[in-house]
Amino acid sequence: NAGVTQTPKFRILKIGQSMTLQCTQDMNHNYMYWYRQDPGMGLKLIYYSVGAGITDKGEVPNGYNVSRSTTEDFPLRLELAAPSQTSVYFCASILQGSERDTQYFGPGTRLTVL
Amino acid sequence: SQKIEQNSEALNIQEGKTATLTCNYTNYSPAYLQWYRQDPGRGPVFLLLIRENEKEKRKERLKVTFDTTLKQSLFHITASQPADSATYLCALRGNTPLVFGKGTRLSVIA
Repeated sequence: NAGVTQTPKFRILKIGQSMTLQCTQDMNHNYMYWYRQDPGMGLKLIYYSVGAGITDKGEVPNGYNVSRSTTEDFPLRLELAAPSQTSVYFCASILQGSERDTQYFGPGTRLTVL
Repeated sequence: SQKIEQNSEALNIQEGKTATLTCNYTNYSPAYLQWYRQDPGRGPVFLLLIRENEKEKRKERLKVTFDTTLKQSLFHITASQPADSATYLCALRGNTPLVFGKGTRLSVIA
């Protein structure tokens, strides 16, 4: 199993540009999450999904959109990039209801908006 | 409002000593609490989970306690090594998705 994979690893965007951060997991997990992590701060939940076709907002959803058409993929879309979206983005997945309820994280995407 | 506090941003400790990290929470009724390790430039990695009806969990040199009366969890690393240097995050789950603390950066000095 590759676990949770994210692409790209790094990206620089200009203000107003758009992009999609890709996230794929091969563990057949039902729940998937997107977090952002700013320097010295904890992980803030952007959006999450409890299964294909179902998504919900987290703590900081403004400026982002998600979709979940398959169990494996959970892309995060930035429509009009702003400097405040400069951050490291982590995707995570979990098999909800399993004994360990462990979240598996991807390696992250470092995004800079100039 | 709900709050999770890891009350040390950074902790320096001598090799071989026991490191103790604290996680406090308010306005939560967590079903369980987890601890993660995060190395620079990487995603967090799960270490231990402790449920609300458990007082203590151990895994090798790691020990976690959970006091729902004090609303506090303690995370201990015994016989600490320089390789234990990392940021440690606590996370709570109640009837909401996991919520993370800001983390404590542990440095183990040889």
